[in-house]
Amino acid sequence: AQSVAQPEDQVNVAEGNPLTVKCTYSVSGNPYLFWYVQYPNRGLQFLLKYITGDNLVKGSYGFEAEFNKSQTSFHLKKPSALVSDSALYFCAVRDVGFQKLVFGTGTRLLVSP
Amino acid sequence: DAGVIQSPRHEVTEMGQEVTLRCKPISGHDYLFWYRQTMMRGLELLIYFNNNVPIDDSGMPEDRFSAKMPNASFSTLKIQPSEPRDSAVYFCASSLAPQRGGRGYKNIQYFGAGTRLSVL
Repeated sequence: AQSVAQPEDQVNVAEGNPLTVKCTYSVSGNPYLFWYVQYPNRGLQFLLKYITGDNLVKGSYGFEAEFNKSQTSFHLKKPSALVSDSALYFCAVRDVGFQKLVFGTGTRLLVSP
Repeated sequence: DAGVIQSPRHEVTEMGQEVTLRCKPISGHDYLFWYRQTMMRGLELLIYFNNNVPIDDSGMPEDRFSAKMPNASFSTLKIQPSEPRDSAVYFCASSLAPQRGGRGYKNIQYFGAGTRLSVL
């Protein structure tokens, strides 16, 4: 079965510093990978996705993610964190042959001023 | 488009009562998903529909939960009878079929703001 793992419950970073939120995946076939963000009391919002093509995917709010097939990873990155980036981040993979997504457990990002 | 609309935003009820959560997907979307989010279990997919037909309900916890989609613009998730352990945030999401909308929209799910359910 398709799955993703987010090894960190929380990531702390100072404003202005680069941030990385980690995600590894386990799939059969080609992976369709996604990142979503959830702000307090809101639903999940799509950030970016990888289906095929360039390994570096650019998304909303200055975020990008790097697909690494050899390490089966899809880490979310941003060169310079903002306090407003503080939120819960979910990695997800599309299930084989279905339209449903399998979500990771989420990583809470805290950006301090 | 107004996005996925869920109602009510908050629901407080007593154990044993029937609860109905409502969702209006984005117009023209083919898929509708119901999720539950709790601190303990994270984000769980309960059921999803394609063109109003339930495709996978393996995530529905038990017979107390039921979901319907009578038409393309409306779905309900019903809990009867409700129990305190059902307290959670319930999300609805919708998406286009992958063969429609172009590659840019492929498999992207759009979420509503959620219904926070508290069962006392």
